[in-house]
Amino acid sequence: DIQMTQSPSSVSASVGDRVTITCRASQGISSWLAWYQQKPGKAPKLLIYAASSLQSGVPSRFSGSGSGTDFTLTISSLQPEDFATYYCQQANSFTWTFGQGTKVEIK
Amino acid sequence: EVQLVESGGGLVKPGGSLRLSCAASGFTFSNAWMSWVRQAPGKGLEWVGRIKSKTDGGTTDYAAPVKGRFTISRDDSKNTLYLQMNSLKTEDTAVYYCTTVGRSIAARPGYYYYYYYMDVWGKGTTVTVSS
Repeated sequence: DIQMTQSPSSVSASVGDRVTITCRASQGISSWLAWYQQKPGKAPKLLIYAASSLQSGVPSRFSGSGSGTDFTLTISSLQPEDFATYYCQQANSFTWTFGQGTKVEIK
Repeated sequence: EVQLVESGGGLVKPGGSLRLSCAASGFTFSNAWMSWVRQAPGKGLEWVGRIKSKTDGGTTDYAAPVKGRFTISRDDSKNTLYLQMNSLKTEDTAVYYCTTVGRSIAARPGYYYYYYYMDVWGKGTTVTVSS
């Protein structure tokens, strides 16, 4: 199975900060990568697919980049509603896998 | 409005069985690929498995921890997805989410392919495996 490793595991930031989360695949996955946001007690929400395509309705402060094994999710200016846990997920192989998650906390 | 509603969760003893259902509405279910994702208490997301539409073969794929124990099926006449869970273990305790699988086409000279992602999620149903 393809392993996905996110870093950092958690990050403390303030409203207005730029936040970057990285995701590394154990082997090349081209652009078959998605990012999700999950708030406590809620179902995950799709943010980004195909590594850099913004899902309809998602604010433009969210962006994704990367290809191959290294990917990045960037929040350009953190808003109060963005404090949550973020997951990357690969869909390159027959079996899909998630990263372990990155929790974005209030500083 | 696209909606997914899971049901069937509950308390079951180790070694037991349970069948989860996911009722879909607001889209053409028969054309959709569907998947199950779970989340153990306080843990991250874990992909469980996926079923393609019948027109795309209706085949299934599973994560290694559940392969051979879990079976995903669908009843397109009832717009319902199922997850049959057998030989349950305590580590199967989790919230189980049903999702649609979205596809985005990418074209290259002479061929095309799809990007896949899980775009609509239900609220989840809780499964507890305990003696």
